[in-house]
Amino acid sequence: AQKVTQAQTEISVVEKEDVTLDCVYETRDTTYYLFWYKQPPSGELVFLIRRNSFDEQNEISGRYSWNFQKSTSSFNFTITASQVVDSAVYFCALSTKAQKLVFGQGTRLTINP
Amino acid sequence: DSGVTQTPKHLITATGQRVTLRCSPRSGDLSVYWYQQSLDQGLQFLIQYYNGEERAKGNILERFSAQQFPDLHSELNLSSLELGDSALYFCASSFNPDRPNSYEQYFGPGTRLTVT
Repeated sequence: AQKVTQAQTEISVVEKEDVTLDCVYETRDTTYYLFWYKQPPSGELVFLIRRNSFDEQNEISGRYSWNFQKSTSSFNFTITASQVVDSAVYFCALSTKAQKLVFGQGTRLTINP
Repeated sequence: DSGVTQTPKHLITATGQRVTLRCSPRSGDLSVYWYQQSLDQGLQFLIQYYNGEERAKGNILERFSAQQFPDLHSELNLSSLELGDSALYFCASSFNPDRPNSYEQYFGPGTRLTVT
């Protein structure tokens, strides 16, 4: 069975601080896909990134970066120089090819001005 | 804007009633997924359709059913509603044959169902 664990239920930081959201996953599949989604207070789920199991290269997109480590089954998300607009619930998710997403419980991130 | 549309945005109904939620996938996407988000269960996969055919089932109650039509829009039918069915219901779409390695799912804005 597949499982995603986001151990941090809530994180609160002051604006401009860096913050890392942890994600640990379990799967027996050798090919799988990892995702991060953002759910702002308005409620929609916004796709942020997909990572393939065979590509361990880290990725940076502006203030966002993702660290994928197969050895520790982790796919962590770092926001650099956080801003109030980053306040949201962030979900890590796992799937195999073209199949359902298994979500973690989410981390509520609050950025205080 | 993800390109996935869902209607209605909000729905308030009484216990025992039946409702239908509608979803239109992104242009070109063949697969539609339904998810339920509740405070106690988190985000749970309900059912997947691919090009009109049921592909996978998750934790979907027997009182719930879905279908995908030839124009690829999908409907989720919830019947004999109970208070515990109150939740945010999301539809997502993926898999465009023109981009076969694109496995990310794009979500609609959701339908907030309140059962009173």
